[in-house]
Amino acid sequence: EAGVTQFPSHSVIEKGQTVTLRCDPISGHDNLYWYRRVMGKEIKFLLHFVKESKQDESGMPNNRFLAERTGGTYSTLKVQPAELEDSGVYFCASSPRGGSSYEQYFGPGTRLTVT
Amino acid sequence: SQQGEEDPQALSIQEGENATMNCSYKTSINNLQWYRQNSGRGLVHLILIRSNEREKHSGRLRVTLDTSKKSSSLLITASRAADTASYFCATAKGSNYQLIWGAGTKLIIKP
Repeated sequence: EAGVTQFPSHSVIEKGQTVTLRCDPISGHDNLYWYRRVMGKEIKFLLHFVKESKQDESGMPNNRFLAERTGGTYSTLKVQPAELEDSGVYFCASSPRGGSSYEQYFGPGTRLTVT
Repeated sequence: SQQGEEDPQALSIQEGENATMNCSYKTSINNLQWYRQNSGRGLVHLILIRSNEREKHSGRLRVTLDTSKKSSSLLITASRAADTASYFCATAKGSNYQLIWGAGTKLIIKP
């Protein structure tokens, strides 16, 4: 079974530019999450999809960040315009719906560098 | 605000020794999870302990949870070079699937 995949693995952009990160969850997983870790800080939750619906977007830092999950499959996270403080590693995770397990399956992350 | 805090921030031990990492959190939880991240890789789930459990084992891993002290520990016995990684604790509250993370412990196993 393929794991969670993320693209690109690394992105370097200039301040003010736009970047779109993509996450493909494990097939059949209804839950999809975005997290990020900025340099030297802890990993922080950004948002949670259940299928195509945003269940919880309380962690989104501001309106420069837009996440979508059209069709309830893959998800994109767009940063527009990017700022220097957006640099960090963006992780995507997925988990199946229901059940008693809260385990989340993580992708390798996208390292974003804003210069 | 940061939920989990881990100590030590970094730990370097000889192969074969045991490694203990601690995690503290601030609010009530449904469960606490430990994840490992190898350099340049994603986070890998290691073990989950529920709030009504006090201890759990998985292979060479032993996790304890003390809800009265809002703390957990992860013990890796008979460490191996392949255990070199960063270890994170994460807590989940109620039915909220959002994970709240500690800063992590960087573990180095010297051969």
